[in-house]
Amino acid sequence: EAGVAQSPRYKIIEKRQSVAFWCNPISGHATLYWYQQILGQGPKLLIQFQNNGVVDDSQLPKDRFSAERLKGVDSTLKIQPAKLEDSAVYLCASSLVRTVYEQYFGPGTRLTVT
Amino acid sequence: AQSVSQHNHHVILSEAASLELGCNYSYGGTVNLFWYVQYPGQHLQLLLKYFSGDPLVKGIKGFEAEFIKSKFSFNLRKPSVQWSDTAEYFCAVNAATGTASKLTFGTGTRLQVTL
Repeated sequence: EAGVAQSPRYKIIEKRQSVAFWCNPISGHATLYWYQQILGQGPKLLIQFQNNGVVDDSQLPKDRFSAERLKGVDSTLKIQPAKLEDSAVYLCASSLVRTVYEQYFGPGTRLTVT
Repeated sequence: AQSVSQHNHHVILSEAASLELGCNYSYGGTVNLFWYVQYPGQHLQLLLKYFSGDPLVKGIKGFEAEFIKSKFSFNLRKPSVQWSDTAEYFCAVNAATGTASKLTFGTGTRLQVTL
């Protein structure tokens, strides 16, 4: 089966610009996650969707970050405006509803904010 | 809130040496525990998991981990490492309560195996 797809793989922007990341989960996986992984740290959950509804967005900086999963399949994560501290790898993962703890990760998008 | 500590940030071993990576978690309730691995240039992938039952869990590629509830620990072990085990290893915990529970990751341990 195809894995979790993410694009772009790399992005370099200047601070105060906006950026968007796209994720397509494994077919049939109702639960989708966005993580932020800063260099030297473990992944930190930003937002979790089940189908097109938000389950947990407690760690999403809502003043600049937004995410949507309108049709319950693919998802976009947006940052506007970006700050230097947003430089990180943004990981998307998906899972079946009944096994939310067994998550499959995509390759990530490496964002550099200059 | 749950948290995970991995005290070894960078470990260098020779091939055939034994490995033990520490993982301690902080959470008062029932947990599910995981080790994920990220090989160079590859995605994060699940190495092994513990839900309940036998506290000694065996995973892929000869790895195992032991859940010691009294110590809040879930250390990863391998009796004899190979050069191909060079990777970053992440311990993760998930509160075993409902479908909204989330994975909390440790900061990771970078393992370098030399020939």
